[in-house]
Amino acid sequence: AQKITQTQPGMFVQEKEAVTLDCTYDTSDQSYGLFWYKQPSSGEMIFLIYQGSYDEQNATEGRYSLNFQKARKSANLVISASQLGDSAMYFCAMRVVPWGAGGTSYGKLTFGQGTILTVHP
Amino acid sequence: DAGITQSPRHKVTETGTPVTLRCHQTENHRYMYWYRQDPGHGLRLIHYSYGVKDTDKGEVSDGYSVSRSKTEDFLLTLESATSSQTSVYFCAISESSGAGYEQYFGPGTRLTVT
Repeated sequence: AQKITQTQPGMFVQEKEAVTLDCTYDTSDQSYGLFWYKQPSSGEMIFLIYQGSYDEQNATEGRYSLNFQKARKSANLVISASQLGDSAMYFCAMRVVPWGAGGTSYGKLTFGQGTILTVHP
Repeated sequence: DAGITQSPRHKVTETGTPVTLRCHQTENHRYMYWYRQDPGHGLRLIHYSYGVKDTDKGEVSDGYSVSRSKTEDFLLTLESATSSQTSVYFCAISESSGAGYEQYFGPGTRLTVT
């Protein structure tokens, strides 16, 4: 079974500073994907960044980077130069390729419980 | 933005009544998913579909059924709504089931069962 753990229920950061949101995962699969999603107060789920288990370099997308430490099974999200609009809930998620009863893979996402980030002006 | 809509966006219903939530996509993606979001649990998979008329159970499927008669539509039915099914329901789509493919989410449906 897969498990994602986000140990920080809430984080605070000053505007323009960097912040790291922690995520650890557990899986016995060798091939997996790690994702971060943002959920603002409006409720939608916004895909931010992806890291593959075989990727040797850390993923980056604009101000977002993923600090991937495979041996430690961690996939922390780093947001640089925080903005007020970054205030939201952030979810770490993992996707492996489980096989359903019908013999078809379905690639569900397993989510952590989320971290609420508050950016102060 | 991925073309995913959910209807209704908000619904209040009474215990024991059937409820159907609709997910519609314009991306022609093969895989569709229904998740529920509850405080302290993140998102959990209810059911998924890997093609027209091809569906299977997720981890919290009791009390729910699904149908997919067209590529673009995935319906979630609460057969007899209970208060424990009060939640926010998200539909998601994905081009592939591979580990490297992201899922795109609809705007969510907030369901309250009284």
